[in-house]
Amino acid sequence: DARVTQTPRHKVTEMGQEVTMRCQPILGHNTVFWYRQTMMQGLELLAYFRNRAPLDDSGMPKDRFSAEMPDATLATLKIQPSEPRDSAVYFCASGSPGPYEQYFGPGTRLTVT
Amino acid sequence: GQQLNQSPQSMFIQEGEDVSMNCTSSSIFNTWLWYKQDPGEGPVLLIALYKAGELTSNGRLTAQFGITRKDSFLNISASIPSDVGIYFCAGQNRSAGKSTFGDGTTLTVKP
Repeated sequence: DARVTQTPRHKVTEMGQEVTMRCQPILGHNTVFWYRQTMMQGLELLAYFRNRAPLDDSGMPKDRFSAEMPDATLATLKIQPSEPRDSAVYFCASGSPGPYEQYFGPGTRLTVT
Repeated sequence: GQQLNQSPQSMFIQEGEDVSMNCTSSSIFNTWLWYKQDPGEGPVLLIALYKAGELTSNGRLTAQFGITRKDSFLNISASIPSDVGIYFCAGQNRSAGKSTFGDGTTLTVKP
């Protein structure tokens, strides 16, 4: 049963600390998306990659957020320095060309105090 | 950018009732997707629609791709308690490669 995996599932950190979230897309999927979900903003697209190349990161605050795909099996989202307003659930999703459907991971719940 | 208006924002229904929700857009999409999110989990794809006018079922769920390509509808028949969750619509243009999500419809089913 192929699934997107995300680690950690929960992260509590203090303001100013660096946070790294990891995602393993479904094997064979060539697009990876990072979303942020809050009560106020719903599902907000931060960035997405196709064939490991960033296609759109316009939704991401560039001064503190960065997203990379070191290889086809790993995507990372980093926040440095973190702020309380970054508290949210961060989802990774992957998709394959053709169906254009996205499959979501379980999310990382981030709390910045 | 493209905006999706999903309604209703929330629904409180009795077990056994049918449910209808919809999404409208100011612009055209060539793919419509419906997802369900359970508490503490990521959204799960329910139904994907690829052609204007298409009507697709998945068990008690039926979704339609509007003829104008600017809207889509999801119906749930004979609701049960496990239907509780947030339902998201998403529109996509294949050339763009990314989806635009609605704000979700929160469904509560009373036994």
